[in-house]
Amino acid sequence: EAGVAQSPRYKIIEKRQSVAFWCNPISGHATLYWYQQILGQGPKLLIQFQNNGVVDDSQLPKDRFSAERLKGVDSTLKIQPAKLEDSAVYLCASSPQGEKAFFGQGTRLTVV
Amino acid sequence: RKEVEQDPGPFNVPEGATVAFNCTYSNSASQSFFWYRQDCRKEPKLLMSVYSSGNEDGRFTAQLNRASQYISLLIRDSKLSDSATYLCVVNSGGFKTIFGAGTRLFVKA
Repeated sequence: EAGVAQSPRYKIIEKRQSVAFWCNPISGHATLYWYQQILGQGPKLLIQFQNNGVVDDSQLPKDRFSAERLKGVDSTLKIQPAKLEDSAVYLCASSPQGEKAFFGQGTRLTVV
Repeated sequence: RKEVEQDPGPFNVPEGATVAFNCTYSNSASQSFFWYRQDCRKEPKLLMSVYSSGNEDGRFTAQLNRASQYISLLIRDSKLSDSATYLCVVNSGGFKTIFGAGTRLFVKA
């Protein structure tokens, strides 16, 4: 079974630039999550989708972050404009119905 | 108070030792619980679910104490390959999933 696919694996951008991450969840998984993991910390949920609807985006900095999940499958997470403190690993995960989550390898973002 | 709290460690133990981690959660309505393992610079991977009656998977035992609102993970006969960060995960219902910051374990030869 194919796992959660994310791209790119690494990204380096300058502050105030924009960046987008892509995630393809495990086939058939209705729930999709985007997490931000800063070095030395646990993953922090940014947004959770159930099919193509948003379940929880309470910790998403909406002034600069946006995410969509068109057609309830793939998802993109965008940051515009990026700040230095956005440097982190962005993890996408999926689960069949919001329980056990399976993670992609993540995108390591460095903002300089 | 954080919703999910873990002792960050690190725990340094010799091979063959038994080590236990605790994790406390603040929402008494939390419904499901998991332990994940995260290796350095890798993504978290599900280690085991935690059931009310407690459950075991090989050298790993997970326990849930709803009255005191904590879960635990016991690792027996530690191996070098057990060195990792162990993340406690709590699902608070409505599909809200919260990760602890993780407990780092180093197993030494």
